[in-house]
Amino acid sequence: KAGVTQTPRYLIKTRGQQVTLSCSPISGHRSVSWYQQTPGQGLQFLFEYFSETQRNKGNFPGRFSGRQFSNSRSEMNVSTLELGDSALYLCASREHSANYGYTFGSGTRLTVV
Amino acid sequence: GQNIDQPTEMTATEGAIVQINCTYQTSGFNGLFWYQQHAGEAPTFLSYNVLDGLEEKGRFSSFLSRSKGYSYLLLKELQMKDSASYLCAVRDNTDKLIFGTGTRLQVFP
Repeated sequence: KAGVTQTPRYLIKTRGQQVTLSCSPISGHRSVSWYQQTPGQGLQFLFEYFSETQRNKGNFPGRFSGRQFSNSRSEMNVSTLELGDSALYLCASREHSANYGYTFGSGTRLTVV
Repeated sequence: GQNIDQPTEMTATEGAIVQINCTYQTSGFNGLFWYQQHAGEAPTFLSYNVLDGLEEKGRFSSFLSRSKGYSYLLLKELQMKDSASYLCAVRDNTDKLIFGTGTRLQVFP
């Protein structure tokens, strides 16, 4: 079974630009969550999608948005990039009814210059 | 607010035992997770506790006390490959995973 796939692995963007990151969950997993990981803050929850609907949202500004497609693939978008958005963005998928079994992808390393 | 505390760094010797503690205060509790993350890689699932007590899985064990808001991860017979960050996370009452900042473990020969 293929794991959670995130693309691209690395990205360099300029302040003010926007970026779209992609996450393909494990086959059969319909729930996808996104996290931002920085050295000082650890992993912070961005949002979770299930069946194309956002069911949970963290405390991030509206510049951070996401969506999920009918095949459960998910994208997150960050507009008007700031230097502080430099981070590792991780997504995790799980079977929605599962108590555990969140499987993470390897992440997208975003650097804003 | 939501708060999960774990030590920032720990060191240990190959073959030894190390215990990584985690204390939490969250909006509800629906289970506690431990993940291992090697530099530049995805976090990988180690253990899940939802009831009080000890869960053992090979060289790794995890303990939970819900009344104390406390968990620990015990690693036995340490190997060099155990050098990694260990992440404690609590699933709150909205199903979000709330993570601590992680404990970086260095194992020396």
